[in-house]
Amino acid sequence: AQTVTQSQPEMSVQEAETVTLSCTYDTSESDYYLFWYKQPPSRQMILVIRQEAYKQQNATENRFSVNFQKAAKSFSLKISDSQLGDAAMYFCAYRANFGNEKLTFGTGTRLTIIP
Amino acid sequence: EAQVTQNPRYLITVTGKKLTVTCSQNMNHEYMSWYRQDPGLGLRQIYYSMNVEVTDKGDVPEGYKVSRKEKRNFPLILESPSPNQTSLYFCASSLGRMPYNEQFFGPGTRLTVL
Repeated sequence: AQTVTQSQPEMSVQEAETVTLSCTYDTSESDYYLFWYKQPPSRQMILVIRQEAYKQQNATENRFSVNFQKAAKSFSLKISDSQLGDAAMYFCAYRANFGNEKLTFGTGTRLTIIP
Repeated sequence: EAQVTQNPRYLITVTGKKLTVTCSQNMNHEYMSWYRQDPGLGLRQIYYSMNVEVTDKGDVPEGYKVSRKEKRNFPLILESPSPNQTSLYFCASSLGRMPYNEQFFGPGTRLTVL
């Protein structure tokens, strides 16, 4: 079974600084997707960024980028120029590219932005 | 506006009193799913549906039922709720049948079972 591990329950960063959230996963599949979701206090699940396993190039979305290391099964999220609105719970998630479109989530990292 | 809606958003009930949480999407999505979110456990899949009249168990289906009579609706039924079903519930949907489809999440339903 696939598992996703986020080893940092909480992180904090000064406003305008850069922070990296860690995620590792375990799978025997070669074709899959990885995601970072943001959950602000409103509880809404917001897709931040996704990565296809077959792509070597790391995904980037504005201030958000990932470091995808397929061999190491590592998928970290870097947030540059942190803003107060980035404060949220961040979840890493895995999805196989077949069958049930189930997302397997990590336990989350709560990110605090210090003004 | 394309969206997934859930009702109610908040519910406090007592053990054993049957309840239904509704989920509806207006994007003509084939795939729908229910997750529960618990502190320290992330989100876990309860049930999913690949299409109308096609449903299957996820990772934590015990104590729940679902139905998919119409494409747009996917209600979650708790026949006899217990306190361990106190949780935050999310419905999600996607186009399905393709290599990648973004899953759209509803706003969540906070359920407390006393």
